[in-house]
Amino acid sequence: DTGVSQDPRHKITKRGQNVTFRCDPISEHNRLYWYRQTLGQGPEFLTYFQNEAQLEKSRLLSDRFSAERPKGSFSTLEIQRTEQGDSAMYLCASSLGGGSNSPLHFGNGTRLTVT
Amino acid sequence: AQRVTQPEKLLSVFKGAPVELKCNYSYSGSPELFWYVQYSRQRLQLLLRHISRESIKGFTADLNKGETSFHLKKPFAQEEDSAMYYCALKGQSGAGSYQLTFGKGTKLSVIP
Repeated sequence: DTGVSQDPRHKITKRGQNVTFRCDPISEHNRLYWYRQTLGQGPEFLTYFQNEAQLEKSRLLSDRFSAERPKGSFSTLEIQRTEQGDSAMYLCASSLGGGSNSPLHFGNGTRLTVT
Repeated sequence: AQRVTQPEKLLSVFKGAPVELKCNYSYSGSPELFWYVQYSRQRLQLLLRHISRESIKGFTADLNKGETSFHLKKPFAQEEDSAMYYCALKGQSGAGSYQLTFGKGTKLSVIP
């Protein structure tokens, strides 16, 4: 499968712990996005990278959240001091360019449960 | 601010019946509109985009700027169409041009 890969698929953690998720985009894609999806909602934009530069962050991304894409390839999303409200599906997507002819390709997501 | 509204959480139709999944948007400029679909146990994937004016798997969607709508239609529903459908909007300039704004989704259930 040469699609977007996310790891882990599931993560259960206790409140207050830190967690880190990884996303491997499609290899030639220069744009990478993180979204969050809670039950009954559509995906909500968190942040966006073009190559290694983080160009946009949503106000949903509190100080406890940090994302990196150090070499313009894979990306990590870290949540510090997790809260129960952080429980959600975290989706990664990538695209080649930003036009309508460059649709987003999504991964299977990482489901986070904070107990 | 950009917003996408999908008024129906669940839509059930019989096989062979016409389908219309509603989507309305709010955006001050000229948006790009998309429909994404998620089949059971599969990842979210693009179904179609308004700019292409294409028909995919028998589905079409027309952008109506007067009514700010982008409804998804299919004349004859098939069982394999059962899935979660999300309407999404992308702005053409400024911060909104980097992100997709999704609706809450409509679950389509096609009854055999």
